Amino acid sequence: AQKVTQAQTEISVVEKEDVTLDCVYETRDTTYYLFWYKQPPSGELVFLIRRNSFDEQNEISGRYSWNFQKSTSSFNFTITASQVVDSAVYFCALINAGGTSYGKLTFGQGTILTVHP
Amino acid sequence: DGGITQSPKYLFRKEGQNVTLSCEQNLNHDAMYWYRQDPGQGLRLIYYSQIVNDFQKGDIAEGYSVSREKKESFPLTVTSAQKNPTAFYHCASSNPTRLISNQPQHFGDGTRLSIL
Repeated sequence: AQKVTQAQTEISVVEKEDVTLDCVYETRDTTYYLFWYKQPPSGELVFLIRRNSFDEQNEISGRYSWNFQKSTSSFNFTITASQVVDSAVYFCALINAGGTSYGKLTFGQGTILTVHP
Repeated sequence: DGGITQSPKYLFRKEGQNVTLSCEQNLNHDAMYWYRQDPGQGLRLIYYSQIVNDFQKGDIAEGYSVSREKKESFPLTVTSAQKNPTAFYHCASSNPTRLISNQPQHFGDGTRLSIL
């Protein structure tokens, strides 16, 4: 069975601060995929990034960056120079590649990020 | 534009009543999923379907039923057996295969179900 833990329930920052959202996962599979989704106040989940277990390269996309460390089973997400529009709930999720569970996402409990002007 | 349409956005259920949540996608995806989200919690899988006329129970299927008669449609029925149905329901779709199970799932806008 797999598990995703987001230890930070809520984070509050002031605009232009950098913020890091933590994600720790557990899985017995050697091949798996990690995701981050954003849920704005409107409710729909928006896909942000996908990372496979073979690729530990960090990734940067504009103000967003992701740090994948297999040794610590972590996949952390950093927003640089945060903006009010970044306020949302952020979910980390995991899919195992093999067996009968392929295609099934396991979500963390989410981190509520509030960016104040 | 391609996407997933969930309706209605808000739904109210009376005691003992079955209600059906609609989910339609025009992304030509094979797989569709239903998730439930409770306040302060992550999404939990209710049912999923990898192909037409086939579906599987997820982690919390009790009190729910689904059908998959068409590729683009995956309605979810919340039955009277579901004693605590108040939640936000998400429908998603993707094209996972055993080689490409990393394809991201695309989500609809969600349906918020409440008890009257």
